[in-house]
Amino acid sequence: NAGVMQNPRHLVRRRGQEARLRCSPMKGHSHVYWYRQLPEEGLKFMVYLQKENIIDESGMPKERFSAEFPKEGPSILRIQQVVRGDSAAYFCASSPLQSSSSTDTQYFGPGTRLTVL
Amino acid sequence: AQTVTQSQPEMSVQEAETVTLSCTYDTSESDYYLFWYKQPPSRQMILVIRQEAYKQQNATENRFSVNFQKAAKSFSLKISDSQLGDAAMYFCAYRSRSGNEKLTFGTGTRLTIIP
Repeated sequence: NAGVMQNPRHLVRRRGQEARLRCSPMKGHSHVYWYRQLPEEGLKFMVYLQKENIIDESGMPKERFSAEFPKEGPSILRIQQVVRGDSAAYFCASSPLQSSSSTDTQYFGPGTRLTVL
Repeated sequence: AQTVTQSQPEMSVQEAETVTLSCTYDTSESDYYLFWYKQPPSRQMILVIRQEAYKQQNATENRFSVNFQKAAKSFSLKISDSQLGDAAMYFCAYRSRSGNEKLTFGTGTRLTIIP
């Protein structure tokens, strides 16, 4: 069973460009979470999605950031008009359906390291 | 809002010795989950151990065990027989059992293993 997949692993953008980060959850998982890790800091929650629904976006910046998890395909975290402060590692995690006994555990992908020049 | 505090930015331990990493948290909820994640230099987040708050028995996973003190809101991680591969950042995390499913992380403890 493949783990959580994220791509690209490394992404370099110039200020003002768009960054698109992709996350494919583990097989059978329908809950996706995005976290951001600034240098030398812990992970901070950004958004929680289920298929075609945003459940909790309380950690998302109000502007330039958006996320989706379509019926088909990976979850996408989009950052428009990137600035240097967006440079960070972005982690995706997934968990199974709530009816599962193991829904409490989130399994993480390897992260995407975004560098804004 | 829940908060998680790790008061030890760095720790070191001799290989084969035992080390304990501290974590405290603040919550008004009675039922929740606690986790320790390991982040080696590869930056992959790896689940080390999980504790359910309604269980009094401390969780163990091979060389890793926790000391869960619910009244004190303390959740320390003990690593026995430390190995070089244990060198990493260790993050304590909290998750509510109901409603909001996000993980709240502490700031991490960098563990160094001395050969």
